[in-house]
Amino acid sequence: GENVEQHPSTLSVQEGDSAVIKCTYSDSASNYFPWYKQELGKRPQLIIDIRSNVGEKKDQRIAVTLNKTAKHFSLHITETQPEDSAVYFCAASSGGGTSYGKLTFGQGTILTVHP
Amino acid sequence: NAGVTQTPKFQVLKTGQSMTLQCAQDMNHEYMSWYRQDPGMGLRLIHYSVGAGITDQGEVPNGYNVSRSTTEDFPLRLLSAAPSQTSVYFCASRGFVQGKPKETQYFGPGTRLLVL
Repeated sequence: GENVEQHPSTLSVQEGDSAVIKCTYSDSASNYFPWYKQELGKRPQLIIDIRSNVGEKKDQRIAVTLNKTAKHFSLHITETQPEDSAVYFCAASSGGGTSYGKLTFGQGTILTVHP
Repeated sequence: NAGVTQTPKFQVLKTGQSMTLQCAQDMNHEYMSWYRQDPGMGLRLIHYSVGAGITDQGEVPNGYNVSRSTTEDFPLRLLSAAPSQTSVYFCASRGFVQGKPKETQYFGPGTRLLVL
């Protein structure tokens, strides 16, 4: 089955700096890669996702890049703010078209943004 | 729409007791799943269902049972609770929602379970 590795496990940055979280996956058939943000005591919330037919996707301060050859994808947060502090999870899944199969999650990254 | 709801929010059990964690969604999603979340281990899939009457095992199914008699409900049963099942449990549903062209997975608020 799919295996997703996520690094780093903790990340500390100053407000205004950029943060990068990286994930690798094992199943070359995987073609859907979402990122979730989880605040303390809350449920995971989808913040951005990418499918394998594109190499990069951007949404305001958040971007995700995908390298299918190397089987890794990354989350980039620019101009970080204290409210970006949370646990971030990457995930991978295979599927076709608008649907996809089981999601396998990485272990999570605790991001702390210092004012 | 209420989205995905879970009950209870918090539960304490003694070893050997049984209980059912409830999950419901009102988005008419076919795909529902249960995850457990433990520190440093991310979210691990317990069981999932692709529609009423259809369930399958995920990564960590031992000690848990599920059934799916309706599209809306997907309860998770612990037949004989063990301390190793102390965790936070999240239910999720996946499907199309208005305004989004592709399927998206949504999580419920979670159930914190402590087994003594």
